[in-house]
Amino acid sequence: EVQLLESGGGLVQPGGSLRLSCAASGFTFRNYAMIWVRQAPVKGLEWVSCILEGGHTTYYADSVRGRFTVSRDNSKNLLYLEMNSLRAEDTAIYHCATYQQRLPFDNWGQGTLVTVSS
Amino acid sequence: EIVLTQSPATLSLSPGERATLSCRASQNVNDYLAWYQQKPGQAPRLLIYNASNRATGIPARFSGSGSGTEFTLTISSLEPEDFAVYYCQQRGHWPLTFGGGTKVEIK
Repeated sequence: EVQLLESGGGLVQPGGSLRLSCAASGFTFRNYAMIWVRQAPVKGLEWVSCILEGGHTTYYADSVRGRFTVSRDNSKNLLYLEMNSLRAEDTAIYHCATYQQRLPFDNWGQGTLVTVSS
Repeated sequence: EIVLTQSPATLSLSPGERATLSCRASQNVNDYLAWYQQKPGQAPRLLIYNASNRATGIPARFSGSGSGTEFTLTISSLEPEDFAVYYCQQRGHWPLTFGGGTKVEIK
């Protein structure tokens, strides 16, 4: 059974930093691109970032580019999102998910809540 | 960035009725379009990929159509468990983007 478990969320002050982790199991992690998607309270889905299988190619939403960094450790089946210079508008539940452009291997974690507030 | 516009924002229907949801892209995305269902407190679930292919385990009452800039998700006969929020997502261009969602609510 595929499982994705996010951790690392919490309350942080504006301007602060946080690192999210996503532990993957039940599939061959190194063979799949991974994405982060967030959802602000009572709002829609917003794609944040993507990292391809090898970890050398990354993509970011304009809203986080230059502040967030996605990375992965294929030896440990872990995905990360390093978040710096956090703003109130970054407050959201952050989900990690598998990603395939043309195929339906699509699995999501339940998410971890990040709250940016003083 | 490709903007996806979903309509209507809310659809009020009764069980057994047909639901038709629209997603319009600001640029051509060919058939790189997916549909998701999300229920309160749950992660999104993939329904349709490549505009018209049902994901594993998705009932046949869900169907997707369209290409280019105009897409439709149809639920042929609403079941009680289908009342939820639906999002389209384009996968043809970076950055990936989602539509704003359509809430299908019980009338």
